[in-house]
Amino acid sequence: AQSVTQLDSQVPVFEEAPVELRCNYSSSVSVYLFWYVQYPNQGLQLLLKYLSGSTLVKGINGFEAEFNKSQTSFHLRKPSVHISDTAEYFCAVSEGGNTPLVFGKGTRLSVIA
Amino acid sequence: GAVVSQHPSWVICKSGTSVKIECRSLDFQATTMFWYRQFPKQSLMLMATSNEGSKATYEQGVEKDKFLINHASLTLSTLTVTSAHPEDSSFYICSARVVQGGSPLHFGNGTRLTVT
Repeated sequence: AQSVTQLDSQVPVFEEAPVELRCNYSSSVSVYLFWYVQYPNQGLQLLLKYLSGSTLVKGINGFEAEFNKSQTSFHLRKPSVHISDTAEYFCAVSEGGNTPLVFGKGTRLSVIA
Repeated sequence: GAVVSQHPSWVICKSGTSVKIECRSLDFQATTMFWYRQFPKQSLMLMATSNEGSKATYEQGVEKDKFLINHASLTLSTLTVTSAHPEDSSFYICSARVVQGGSPLHFGNGTRLTVT
């Protein structure tokens, strides 16, 4: 069975500072990995995805993530955060086909002015 | 891009009544849609997989008689919370993907259900 671990439930960071949100996964088969952002009382917006190919993937809003198979990680990074990045971030894994996503517990990113 | 529309965005109902939530794929066809539930400050838990033209597949612990799912067309799935109770109050989100092969899910904006 798949699982996703987001070690940090909350990450406070000052505006314009870099940030890394950690995500580790477990699966017995090849996986596809995703990061989503959720603003209050809204659905989820896709930030980026890893399906295959280059292990460094770039997404929207200046975010990027690196797939590390040996460490089973898919950490999300941004070199300089803005106030508007304050939100909940979810890492998710899928085994492909038309299977559902399995989500981590989320990380609350709070950007401080 | 792929758009999933969910309606209503919020609803308040009295205990014992039923509430229907609609999920539509606006610019693509979805043979499968996924319904998730999210409690405050928690992650998304898969409730069921909705399959067009056939019965939904429910996750363990989800009451199929309480959460009725109908996927009558390639663009519409509905979730009906029957005989709602306060503990059913939650954020319900539907999702679908345009193509298979591990492509991402596209999510609706969710429905905030409050049962009084």
